[in-house]
Amino acid sequence: QQQVKQSPQSLIVQKGGISIINCAYENTAFDYFPWYQQFPGKGPALLIAIRPDVSEKKEGRFTISFNKSAKQFSLHIMDSQPGDSATYFCAASIKNNFNKFYFGSGTKLNVKP
Amino acid sequence: DTGVSQDPRHKITKRGQNVTFRCDPISEHNRLYWYRQTLGQGPEFLTYFQNEAQLEKSRLLSDRFSAERPKGSFSTLEIQRTEQGDSAMYLCASSLGTGSPQHFGDGTRLSIL
Repeated sequence: QQQVKQSPQSLIVQKGGISIINCAYENTAFDYFPWYQQFPGKGPALLIAIRPDVSEKKEGRFTISFNKSAKQFSLHIMDSQPGDSATYFCAASIKNNFNKFYFGSGTKLNVKP
Repeated sequence: DTGVSQDPRHKITKRGQNVTFRCDPISEHNRLYWYRQTLGQGPEFLTYFQNEAQLEKSRLLSDRFSAERPKGSFSTLEIQRTEQGDSAMYLCASSLGTGSPQHFGDGTRLSIL
């Protein structure tokens, strides 16, 4: 049973548009929610992360929105660029246990020029 | 670049053979993690070390798998009697401690013939 459910599986966005990727979880013990970006042949790279005590975190063009009551969080990429084309993974970690992350199944983003 | 280093990048072997992968974490990081990633999926946690101690193992880590981290520096992951289902990308990550982000290497892609 997947602990973190991610959608959509793939996403096509025009250059300059907004890319939105959603994740949902059930385990209320999760305390840390990072997003990773992965290019082909490379390992995942940390993009941005949030803790449940805030509802939004913004870093440059990337924003995480967090809805604790709905147990959902999303990644918004503003002004999407072709260089943003990659696979994005959301993840969650259990409170007081940063020993492992539970990853979503990934969203392949293609930003058209 | 002093990121997480994994070797080899690719390994092709026949079913039934043993394989060993190496991971060199970021030098000051005391935590080291192994994940497995199959095509189209997010990474799945395998095991975790704090310094030289292996503190957690996933049920995915069957008795054919063994991981070590002698002296708390580099780590090795060995798979004995490889099976077709072992074909995957094996990712290593390291972190400074609780609450610190995990930094991933570029992985070892294992192909079983």
